[in-house]
Amino acid sequence: KNEVEQSPQNLTAQEGEFITINCSYSVGISALHWLQQHPGGGIVSLFMLSSGKKKHGRLIATINIQEKHSSLHITASHPRDSAVYICAVRGGGSDSGGGADGLTFGKGTHLIIQP
Amino acid sequence: NAGVTQTPKFRILKIGQSMTLQCAQDMNHNYMYWYRQDPGMGLKLIYYSVGAGITDKGEVPNGYNVSRSTTEDFPLRLELAAPSQTSVYFCASSYPIQGRKETQYFGPGTRLLVL
Repeated sequence: KNEVEQSPQNLTAQEGEFITINCSYSVGISALHWLQQHPGGGIVSLFMLSSGKKKHGRLIATINIQEKHSSLHITASHPRDSAVYICAVRGGGSDSGGGADGLTFGKGTHLIIQP
Repeated sequence: NAGVTQTPKFRILKIGQSMTLQCAQDMNHNYMYWYRQDPGMGLKLIYYSVGAGITDKGEVPNGYNVSRSTTEDFPLRLELAAPSQTSVYFCASSYPIQGRKETQYFGPGTRLLVL
């Protein structure tokens, strides 16, 4: 079963700061997702990646398959970025946890950006 | 498109009662999933479906049942509600592109309280 660990659990920063959230996993995967959960509870997919790097606006996600590690970066952070950021992985088979066609999730990183 | 919709948004059940959480998607997605989110924990997969008439257990299926009679609908049934089933339930869907499973789209969630 894949174990997904995120760090930090909680992060408070000032507006404008560069933010990094880390995710590590224990078993080989076919894809890694970064999700955003707003205070209202809704979950939105930010990125899905299996190698390299992806960028969308001020958000950048990277993954190192060999090291089983991914990072989510936020540049020029803003109070509206305050949310829970969740890392989730999709395994290559049913023994990687979460069901063969589902995701295994980290516990999330609570991010607060203060004005 | 409405995307993924869930009803109800919130429900209080007494121990031993039964209920069905409704989930529907209008994106013609083959894959659908039910997750539960407990405080301080990552989302966990309950059941999933890869198409109409096909369902399979996820990580935490005990106490739940599902059916998938159409592509659009994937209801989750609780037969004998227990306090341990107090949680927030998320339905999600995705579709395969060239054999790969793509981004998951989440519903707004159903908050269930069992007393």
